Amino acid sequence: GEDVEQSLFLSVREGDSSVINCTYTDSSSTYLYWYKQEPGAGLQLLTYIFSNMDMKQDQRLTVLLNKKDKHLSLRIADTQTGDSAIYFCAGHNAGNNRKLIWGLGTSLAVNP
Amino acid sequence: GAGVSQSPSNKVTEKGKDVELRCDPISGHTALYWYRQSLGQGLEFLIYFQGNSAPDKSGLPSDRFSAERTGGSVSTLTIQRTQQEDSAVYLCASSLARGTGFGEQFFGPGTRLTVL
Repeated sequence: GEDVEQSLFLSVREGDSSVINCTYTDSSSTYLYWYKQEPGAGLQLLTYIFSNMDMKQDQRLTVLLNKKDKHLSLRIADTQTGDSAIYFCAGHNAGNNRKLIWGLGTSLAVNP
Repeated sequence: GAGVSQSPSNKVTEKGKDVELRCDPISGHTALYWYRQSLGQGLEFLIYFQGNSAPDKSGLPSDRFSAERTGGSVSTLTIQRTQQEDSAVYLCASSLARGTGFGEQFFGPGTRLTVL
C-alpha cells in the first residue's frame, strides 16, 4: 500500500543547514510536496517537485528526488528560528481522486 | 484574502453526541478534501469531493462518519455518536485541480474536536 515515512525530529543551530528526509512507497506519485505547519497555523505548501525532476531550488530551499530509491529530501540553507515548524512530506498517485498520502511530519527545532 | 475557513475552531462534546463540522472552501475551487490529524498519527485522508459528488470516501473510518457538499461550495462533516478516539483536528482543504495536473491544496485552520 501507499506509505510515506519521515524522521520525527530534527534539531539544528541557527545558520546551519537542515536536511529533512522522506521515503515513499508509491512510485506512481506524479508530484511530491513539502508542507509546513507552524504552531497554531494551518498547513501551507512550501514547495513541490515533479516526479521527472532530480532537483528543484527555490531561494533557501533545495528539494532532491531519487526516484530509484524513492527518497525525497528538503534542504533549508541558513536555517532561521522562524523555520521552526513541522514539515510534512506528501505524495499522491495520478488517479482522479488526487488524495495526498502524508508522512507523520518532522518537527524542526532551530536553536539560537 | 478569502482562504479556506472552518467552523467551529474548537468543539468539546460528550461521548455519544453528534457533531457537525463546517468547511467553506476558496470560491471557485471544485475539489474539497477532509483530513484528520491525530496526535502521533499524522494526517489521515477522510473524503474527497469533486463538485458535489464524493468519488472517494475510502478514508471514512466508520459509518458514524458522513459528509456532504452542497452547491459545489460548503461542506459539512458529521460524526454521529462520537467516541473518544474521534478526538483530533479535522482539516479541510480545497483545490482548483482537475484530472492529473498539479494542484496545490489550500488548507483551513482546522477544527479541534475533543470528545470527553
